[in-house]
Amino acid sequence: DQQVKQNSPSLSVQEGRISILNCDYTNSMFDYFLWYKKYPAEGPTFLISISSIKDKNEDGRFTVFLNKSAKHLSLHIVPSQPGDSAVYFCAARSARRSGYSTLTFGKGTMLLVSP
Amino acid sequence: KAGVTQTPRYLIKTRGQQVTLSCSPISGHRSVSWYQQTPGQGLQFLFEYFSETQRNKGNFPGRFSGRQFSNSRSEMNVSTLELGDSALYLCASSIGQGVYNEQFFGPGTRLTVL
Repeated sequence: DQQVKQNSPSLSVQEGRISILNCDYTNSMFDYFLWYKKYPAEGPTFLISISSIKDKNEDGRFTVFLNKSAKHLSLHIVPSQPGDSAVYFCAARSARRSGYSTLTFGKGTMLLVSP
Repeated sequence: KAGVTQTPRYLIKTRGQQVTLSCSPISGHRSVSWYQQTPGQGLQFLFEYFSETQRNKGNFPGRFSGRQFSNSRSEMNVSTLELGDSALYLCASSIGQGVYNEQFFGPGTRLTVL
């Protein structure tokens, strides 16, 4: 059962335009959400995060929106640049009863920004 | 500051063999987590080690095991390899335990099982 879903395997955008990457989740116990970016032959790198008590977090060109009632979050990149071409993973954190927490990842969306 | 290093970067094994992967965390980081990445399943959590103890485990069979040494370096072992174990194995380190601390990923070990 996929608790974090990224339904678009790929997305193509022109340079300068907005990129919108979507993520849906099913587990109501998730309290923190993260986006990671991954280039080929490299490990994922942390991009931006949002707590479940917020509905928006912005960092430069990157903004993450959270809609808790819809269990949906999105990552907006404005303006998109060719260097943003990578696979983007949405991840969610849940607190376990023991106090230890895990990250659940989506399958990723490959973003291609063309000049 | 050196990043997370994983060795080897590429590995080819045959079914039934076993394999050991190594991860050296960022200096000062005491937590190491392992993930399996496959095209069909994305990143899946394997286990986390903190202070030489396994703190968390994902839903993987007992063929997958790990350990952490006193210098925080970690190894992951997969016994009786199956074709489906072909994947990119990523390790991530963080200063403290769990995902309340930012995780820094290594480049991964690409395992191919023939």
